[in-house]
Amino acid sequence: RKEVEQDPGPFNVPEGATVAFNCTYSNSASQSFFWYRQDCRKEPKLLMSVYSSGNEDGRFTAQLNRASQYISLLIRDSKLSDSATYLCVVNTNAGKSTFGDGTTLTVKP
Amino acid sequence: DAEITQSPRHKITETGRQVTLACHQTWNHNNMFWYRQDLGHGLRLIHYSYGVQDTNKGEVSDGYSVSRSNTEDLPLTLESAASSQTSVYFCASSASVSGEQYFGPGTRLTVT
Repeated sequence: RKEVEQDPGPFNVPEGATVAFNCTYSNSASQSFFWYRQDCRKEPKLLMSVYSSGNEDGRFTAQLNRASQYISLLIRDSKLSDSATYLCVVNTNAGKSTFGDGTTLTVKP
Repeated sequence: DAEITQSPRHKITETGRQVTLACHQTWNHNNMFWYRQDLGHGLRLIHYSYGVQDTNKGEVSDGYSVSRSNTEDLPLTLESAASSQTSVYFCASSASVSGEQYFGPGTRLTVT
């Protein structure tokens, strides 16, 4: 079983839709959590950190459930420009970063 | 503006040759990382460094080496390139050990 697991998708949604991605992790020592976005053939870019209390950045909401060991990303009012692969990243305090394989989102007109 | 750069962006080499990929960051981050990304495997950690003269092996370090002689640079060397090392290589840096990482644009390496 992988340490960080994501549904690979693809998720195909129309513009304006709400879409949610989940990510589960197995290392209970994990301390920090992030969502990255990766466009085709380009480098991953930080989308947002994930805090215990949940956090929002415009149309994006991230949540953490430590008891169940999963994090989620909700995208509201999807735009064509949201089409990308979304990577879940889990870090331990010892500096180990584990990346999920990513979930692919395609937003269609 | 601070940035992280990689060179070359594309390289084709032959099996058995030594290849060095450069990574340079101006964030003044202590922590630097090398990953490879292949279809079906996501990002896998090759080597990482938490400061000058510090280097550590990641999960797929066989056939690769790094050195850290200053804060800004972490070159990745493939000692004897193999076709299995054809991949996209990303360098990253971070300010704290468990903090967010900032990635370079990647190097696409083909070993023929």
